[in-house]
Amino acid sequence: GAVVSQHPSRVICKSGTSVKIECRSLDFQATTMFWYRQFPKQSLMLMATSNEGSKATYEQGVEKDKFLINHASLTLSTLTVTSAHPEDSSFYICSAREVQERNYEQYFGPGTRLTVT
Amino acid sequence: GQNIDQPTEMTATEGAIVQINCTYQTSGFNGLFWYQQHAGEAPTFLSYNVLDGLEEKGRFSSFLSRSKGYSYLLLKELQMKDSASYLCAVIDSNYQLIWGAGTKLIIKP
Repeated sequence: GAVVSQHPSRVICKSGTSVKIECRSLDFQATTMFWYRQFPKQSLMLMATSNEGSKATYEQGVEKDKFLINHASLTLSTLTVTSAHPEDSSFYICSAREVQERNYEQYFGPGTRLTVT
Repeated sequence: GQNIDQPTEMTATEGAIVQINCTYQTSGFNGLFWYQQHAGEAPTFLSYNVLDGLEEKGRFSSFLSRSKGYSYLLLKELQMKDSASYLCAVIDSNYQLIWGAGTKLIIKP
């Protein structure tokens, strides 16, 4: 099956700094990648959808200047949390949709746990 | 608005059968997914239904009724490792994935 990797798996940063999270599709080309955030005991919350070579589409309430998304190639998307604050501490998960996938299944990365101190 | 409902939590006994229901009201329908998510991990794919009926895959089966806006995930011969959250998600007319809040399944010995 399709494999998606995320790096880093865990990161601790100080308040005010920026953190970059990478999402890669390892064995397929992804037309679309998605970024989710999940707080403890809550469901996935879609933050943004990105298509290769174009600007990301952010969900309502998500600050695009704070959560910078770059989808430079069909196998890589990055999420940068700028000027992080403790309330940004969360589990960030990316997913990717294959170019040829007919059922629109999303393949998930293993997630990145961000802790802002 | 778009809405997906599933029970918050269910408890079942090891070796038994459990059915997790999901009802949805979305703008259009292009398929329904069930994902399993263990605590602290990303979701993993379980099943996909786009036509009415039952799809069986080993110990797990998924059913869909589009006219009723209803699906269920059936887990047989429950094992302790099945303790997890089960997420129902629907693809709407814009091909966006709409997520339910998930059902936490607790398996007791």
